[in-house]
Amino acid sequence: EDQLVDSGGSVVRPGGSLRLSCAASGFQFNRYDMHWVRQVPGKGLDWVSGINGNGIARSYGDSVRGRFTISRDNAKQSLFLDMTSLRLEDTAAYHCARLKSCGGSCYYFDLWGQGTLVTVSP
Amino acid sequence: SFVLTQPPSVSVAPGKTAIITCGGENIESQSVHWHQHKPGQAPVLVVYDDDHRPSGIPERFSGSFSGNTATLTITRVEAGDEADYYCQLWDGAGGRAIFGGGTQLTVL
Repeated sequence: EDQLVDSGGSVVRPGGSLRLSCAASGFQFNRYDMHWVRQVPGKGLDWVSGINGNGIARSYGDSVRGRFTISRDNAKQSLFLDMTSLRLEDTAAYHCARLKSCGGSCYYFDLWGQGTLVTVSP
Repeated sequence: SFVLTQPPSVSVAPGKTAIITCGGENIESQSVHWHQHKPGQAPVLVVYDDDHRPSGIPERFSGSFSGNTATLTITRVEAGDEADYYCQLWDGAGGRAIFGGGTQLTVL
C-alpha cells in the first residue's frame, strides 16, 4: 500500500528552525515530484513547496521563499522541509503530498501524509 | 494567477444530494481536482481531472465542469461524508498548486 508518514512537527520560538520529514513507502519514490502543503488552524489548504523526482528543480510559495528549503533522499525514500526564521504565521499542520500528472498542465495530489503540527509561539 | 471560490459551508440531510461549487476566472481550460479532508487525517483525492474518480472512491462522488465553474456532487450523503472539501488546480505558469478556500460539508 502506498503511504506517506509526516513527522518532525514541534513547538518552536519565533526566529527558530525546524526540519520536517516525510517517509514514503509502497511505491518508487524517485519517480514522483513531491510537495508540501500546509493548513493554518481554521483556514484552508495552502501550497508551500515542491521538488521534482531527481531533486534538481525546486519551487516555493512567496511566503516561505528564502526561509524554507525542500529536499529529498531517494535512497531513503524521504522528503524534507527545512524551516528557518519561523514566524507566528507559519503555525500550521504540514502535509507532504505526491504529485501525479493527467497530461499537459493537469497535475493533482493523489496521495497525502497525515500531517505534522508546527506551532510557532513566543 | 488563479483564484478559486467555494461556498464556506453546505448542509444536507442524510440520503440527499450535496452540491459543492468551485468557480474562478479563466479556469475554463484548466483541470480541477477535489480533495476530502477530515480533521486530523490525511486529505483524500475524490475526483481528478474534472470528472474522474480514483479507485476506491464510491460512485456517489462525481465531478463536472461547465464554463468557469467546477462542481462536486455527492449523492445519497452519509454521515461519514462530513468533511472539508477543497478544489485544486495546477498553475503551470507559476509551477504551483492553487486551492479553493474549502467547503465544510455538514450532514444534518
